[in-house]
Amino acid sequence: AQSVTQLGSHVSVSEGALVLLRCNYSSSVPPYLFWYVQYPNQGLQLLLKYTTGATLVKGINGFEAEFKKSETSFHLTKPSAHMSDAAEYFCAVSESGANSKLTFGKGITLSVRP
Amino acid sequence: KAGVTQTPRYLIKTRGQQVTLSCSPISGHRSVSWYQQTPGQGLQFLFEYFSETQRNKGNFPGRFSGRQFSNSRSEMNVSTLELGDSALYLCASSLAPQGLDNEQFFGPGTRLTVL
Repeated sequence: AQSVTQLGSHVSVSEGALVLLRCNYSSSVPPYLFWYVQYPNQGLQLLLKYTTGATLVKGINGFEAEFKKSETSFHLTKPSAHMSDAAEYFCAVSESGANSKLTFGKGITLSVRP
Repeated sequence: KAGVTQTPRYLIKTRGQQVTLSCSPISGHRSVSWYQQTPGQGLQFLFEYFSETQRNKGNFPGRFSGRQFSNSRSEMNVSTLELGDSALYLCASSLAPQGLDNEQFFGPGTRLTVL
């Protein structure tokens, strides 16, 4: 069965610092991988996704993630944090197939200090 | 294009009651998925409907049920409410079923509090 591990529940960075949010997955077949962001009192919004092809994926708001099959990882990065990046971030995995579904990690709360 | 809408946004119920939540997907989307979000468990998949058929189901008791109408609108029902059912219930819609690389669009959620 597919699963997602997001280590830690909270990350705090200074404004302008590098953002690194870790995600490791488990999947029996080549996965589709996603990062979603949730701002307070809102639903989830897709940041970026990996399906096939280029392993470095660029998303919205300056975020990017790299699919590393050998490490079963899909870490999310942003070179310079902005105050508006403060939110909860979810990594998710999906597999192709008749009964596949999207499985989310527990989420990481990102705080940005001025 | 209007996004995914969920009604009501907030709901307070007491133990033992039942509740029905509604989700209207983006126009043209035929897949609707439901998730329960709690601080302890994170986002957990409840079920997915596609073209009025339940396509997939998560690991929840039978008290949780859903349905989808011919216009793709979906409802979920929780009977005999328990305190642990207090959560944010999120609905997401997409053009095609989960498992493909299509994007799910989420609604703002319904905050259910069980007293």
